[in-house]
Amino acid sequence: DTAVSQTPKYLVTQMGNDKSIKCEQNLGHDTMYWYKQDSKKFLKIMFSYNNKELIINETVPNRFSPKSPDKAHLNLHINSLELGDSAVYFCASSRLGGRGGNEQFFGPGTRLTVL
Amino acid sequence: RKEVEQDPGPFNVPEGATVAFNCTYSNSASQSFFWYRQDCRKEPKLLMSVYSSGNEDGRFTAQLNRASQYISLLIRDSKLSDSATYLCVVNGDDYKLSFGAGTTVTVRA
Repeated sequence: DTAVSQTPKYLVTQMGNDKSIKCEQNLGHDTMYWYKQDSKKFLKIMFSYNNKELIINETVPNRFSPKSPDKAHLNLHINSLELGDSAVYFCASSRLGGRGGNEQFFGPGTRLTVL
Repeated sequence: RKEVEQDPGPFNVPEGATVAFNCTYSNSASQSFFWYRQDCRKEPKLLMSVYSSGNEDGRFTAQLNRASQYISLLIRDSKLSDSATYLCVVNGDDYKLSFGAGTTVTVRA
């Protein structure tokens, strides 16, 4: 059973298009995250939701909009894609956010290429 | 200044060798510390948490030095399967983990 799953695994699209990435976790976790890993391999937090409530919103262009229909799902919609959006996007979840800093479980990643 | 800084390596070591590397963090209020492992084109996975008194997990030993704000990881008796990128991770603010850019280790036969 996959703990954190993402679809699609690969996404190749043209500049200016709108695309979505879906994430689901079956671990019963309360908190979910989106990270971006660029070509320099630096993993940077974008958003986090705790029980469907947005709790982290880093400095990300407003072309990126997360949506959490329930605590097991966190989707990422990207409008007007740009070349610089090409990266690997990881979804993650944890049992409890906050200062406890519990282990985060990552999905397999979505490799986005914008042409 | 980045929140978490690591020597990117690569550290190229023969099988059976010991390899160690550090990372430094900038937020003195950080509470939790971790080492994650990321294989090429895969997702990061937790290797071990780092406790104040230092801790071991098999061939892996992690240390925390709060005064100097650094964390270390030591791998004894390296195996080929230890080849990976090791990410230093620090819990700074509520809910947010800060990741280092990773230290690449390559173990050769």
